[in-house]
Amino acid sequence: DIQMTQSPSTLSASVGDRVTITCRASQSISTWLAWYQQKPGKAPKLLIYKASNLQSGVPSRFSGSGSGTEFTLTISSLQPDDFATYYCQQYNTYSTFGQGTKLEIK
Amino acid sequence: QVQLVQPGAEVKKPGASVKVSCKVSGYTFIDHGIHWVRQAPGQGLEWMGWISAYNGNTNYAQKLQGRVTVTTDTSTSTAYMELRSLRSDDTAVYYCARGRGGDGYYSYDYWGQGTLVTVSS
Repeated sequence: DIQMTQSPSTLSASVGDRVTITCRASQSISTWLAWYQQKPGKAPKLLIYKASNLQSGVPSRFSGSGSGTEFTLTISSLQPDDFATYYCQQYNTYSTFGQGTKLEIK
Repeated sequence: QVQLVQPGAEVKKPGASVKVSCKVSGYTFIDHGIHWVRQAPGQGLEWMGWISAYNGNTNYAQKLQGRVTVTTDTSTSTAYMELRSLRSDDTAVYYCARGRGGDGYYSYDYWGQGTLVTVSS
């Protein structure tokens, strides 16, 4: 099975900050990686697919990059609505999620 | 608009089975695969399995092999996930999700609202 490791597990930041979350795969997954945002009591929301493609309707402050085994999600200027938990997902071989990164208000 | 509708909650005893439905609308059912993902209380997301709505092919997470079955009813555009021999650590919210790019392994662009399955004696 492909393992996905996110870092950090928790991130404290302020409105307006630029933040980056990293996701590492245990083996190469090309660009078969997605990022999701989840708020308490809600289903996850797709932000980025195929490593760097912005899902329709998602604000342009979200961006993704990477290939192979290392990927990043960047939020260019944090907004109040962005404080949530973020997950990466590989779909190169079946599917696996990272353990999540909780983005908290500093 | 695309919708995936699930029941709100189920309560089951240890050793029992649960079958969760996922009724879709707003797109051609056989054009996209359906995946099942669960989330235990306070925990992360766990992929459970996938079904091709086109031909019924399935794959399951190794951890759940033998206990989980995913099926579809194309006449009603509904997918089902059955989990057997329930244990307390199966208590979780169970989500169905649509494969974004079509029938295989993709990111998930639409999700059901989730079904809370509680396993308790």
